[in-house]
Amino acid sequence: DTAVSQTPKYLVTQMGNDKSIKCEQNLGHDTMYWYKQDSKKFLKIMFSYNNKELIINETVPNRFSPKSPDKAHLNLHINSLELGDSAVYFCASSRTQGFGNQPQHFGDGTRLSIL
Amino acid sequence: GIQVEQSPPDLILQEGANSTLRCNFSDSVNNLQWFHQNPWGQLINLFYIPSGTKQNGRLSATTVATERYSLLYISSSQTTDSGVYFCAVGASGSRLTFGEGTQLTVNP
Repeated sequence: DTAVSQTPKYLVTQMGNDKSIKCEQNLGHDTMYWYKQDSKKFLKIMFSYNNKELIINETVPNRFSPKSPDKAHLNLHINSLELGDSAVYFCASSRTQGFGNQPQHFGDGTRLSIL
Repeated sequence: GIQVEQSPPDLILQEGANSTLRCNFSDSVNNLQWFHQNPWGQLINLFYIPSGTKQNGRLSATTVATERYSLLYISSSQTTDSGVYFCAVGASGSRLTFGEGTQLTVNP
């Protein structure tokens, strides 16, 4: 019955590799997000999609490419991984803005470690 | 962009004590959430509270939107309350801006 699920939970890989993190929500929400939590536990928005359309794209390197095949899924692909990409990545979802601001529901996070 | 300040940054309590965590924000918001990040790293939704007061068991929260602050009260704290508490706010648009969190340690 997990509302927002991310896979994998842990990802350990070498610098220079390409990897993907998957996110799925079963809440019927229209908007999905990716947040990054750094080593100091600071959380910051990376991307947001509404009905498969990109609506927020913070100053994230273009090595990061989100893809939303449908409104229930938002995947994050990262090319040419660097040491600084080590972090915990959280996926979240909420109802569309047309319903006014709504709470965001978070997945359990994916801990990415670059060797 | 909107600024979010949380205080105190660190808090150490004995089991059974009460505490108040504060979140100040720099602009009008229409979304405010409190989260607890447990020792396993999970972000647990505590409250969605853009205004008013809510209670859930030993926890309660109050947001005074006109004065741009929110308070989270923890009563009769337990060791399982340990972790980081985050306040996050949203204005126009859908992004949440997070504070830097309060690290709470509850000792037995």
